[in-house]
Amino acid sequence: ELKVEQNPLFLSMQEGKNYTIYCNYSTTSDRLYWYRQDPGKSLESLFVLLSNGAVKQEGRLMASLDTKARLSTLHITAAVHDLSATYFCAVDGETSYDKVIFGPGTSLSVIP
Amino acid sequence: GAVVSQHPSRVICKSGTSVKIECRSLDFQATTMFWYRQFPKQSLMLMATSNEGSKATYEQGVEKDKFLINHASLTLSTLTVTSAHPEDSSFYICSASFGRYTEAFFGQGTRLTVV
Repeated sequence: ELKVEQNPLFLSMQEGKNYTIYCNYSTTSDRLYWYRQDPGKSLESLFVLLSNGAVKQEGRLMASLDTKARLSTLHITAAVHDLSATYFCAVDGETSYDKVIFGPGTSLSVIP
Repeated sequence: GAVVSQHPSRVICKSGTSVKIECRSLDFQATTMFWYRQFPKQSLMLMATSNEGSKATYEQGVEKDKFLINHASLTLSTLTVTSAHPEDSSFYICSASFGRYTEAFFGQGTRLTVV
């Protein structure tokens, strides 16, 4: 059974600081996703990582994937208050229906 | 990216009644649609996966007779919560993809409150 873990689950950081969120998963996978969710809203797609060593960057966020270690990271550079949200990683399991399993989420709070 | 529309965004219903939630892919044909439930401050839990023209595959612990899923066309899937109870109150989110090795796109979610 595919399991997805995230670390940390809660993160409070000051503006201007850097930090990394980690996502581990238990079995081989084709794809890994990062999403952002604001309170009361649905998911916003941030990154889709398709291969070992993939690195993608958008603004202050950078995501990477190591399929051998079954690990993805979401790095935040010089955090700003607008980045406060819950971040989920999700992994596409190797099943005939490609169901996507979500991690528990990391609640990020950026303090001015 | 592709657009998935979910309707309604909010619904309040009385205990014992049924509620239907629609999920439409607006600009692509969705061969597979997924239904998730999210309780406050928790992650998304996959309820079921539906493929157009076939029966949905439900996750363990999800009552298929209570959560009826229909995927009658390549652009529409519906989730009907039958005989709703207050514990069914949750945020329901659908997603749709147009095939293997393609990203799934999420609807706006439906906030269901059963009173």
